[in-house]
Amino acid sequence: EAGVAQSPRYKIIEKRQSVAFWCNPISGHATLYWYQQILGQGPKLLIQFQNNGVVDDSQLPKDRFSAERLKGVDSTLKIQPAKLEDSAVYLCASSLAPGQERKYGYTFGSGTRLTVV
Amino acid sequence: AQKVTQAQTEISVVEKEDVTLDCVYETRDTTYYLFWYKQPPSGELVFLIRRNSFDEQNEISGRYSWNFQKSTSSFNFTITASQVVDSAVYFCALSLYNTDKLIFGTGTRLQVFP
Repeated sequence: EAGVAQSPRYKIIEKRQSVAFWCNPISGHATLYWYQQILGQGPKLLIQFQNNGVVDDSQLPKDRFSAERLKGVDSTLKIQPAKLEDSAVYLCASSLAPGQERKYGYTFGSGTRLTVV
Repeated sequence: AQKVTQAQTEISVVEKEDVTLDCVYETRDTTYYLFWYKQPPSGELVFLIRRNSFDEQNEISGRYSWNFQKSTSSFNFTITASQVVDSAVYFCALSLYNTDKLIFGTGTRLQVFP
């Protein structure tokens, strides 16, 4: 089974620029998550989708971050404009259905490492 | 509020030594789930184990074992006879019954030297 695919692997941008990350979850996984992992910290949930609907975006900085999951499959996370403190690894994860991750754990992608200079 | 604390920032051991990674959690909920994930240098988080709050049985999987103690709100992870391939950052995480969100600790970096 193919894993969670993310691209790009690395991205360096200047502050105030825009950037977008892409995630393709495991086929058939209805639930998709974006986590932000700042260096030296554990991942923090930004947004959770169930199919193409948002379940939880309470920790998403909505003034600059946006995310969508069209057709309930792929997802993109966008930052506009980027700040220095947005430098982090952005991890995408998916699970079969709500609650399934408690049984089997999420499946995480390898992440996109963003550096804002 | 929920919180996960991993007080050990970094641990270094020599191959074949046993090592225990500590995890202390805080929650007022009675139903919750605890997890351990491994993050190798490649970056992805690899699921190791999940335990629910009603199951305090310790678990062993090969060289890995987990000790869950509700009385001390701890969920510690022991690697027996460590190997170089065990070198990674290990995260403990908590999720509540009514949410899918994982609350992670800050991680413990384990370095196993040959």
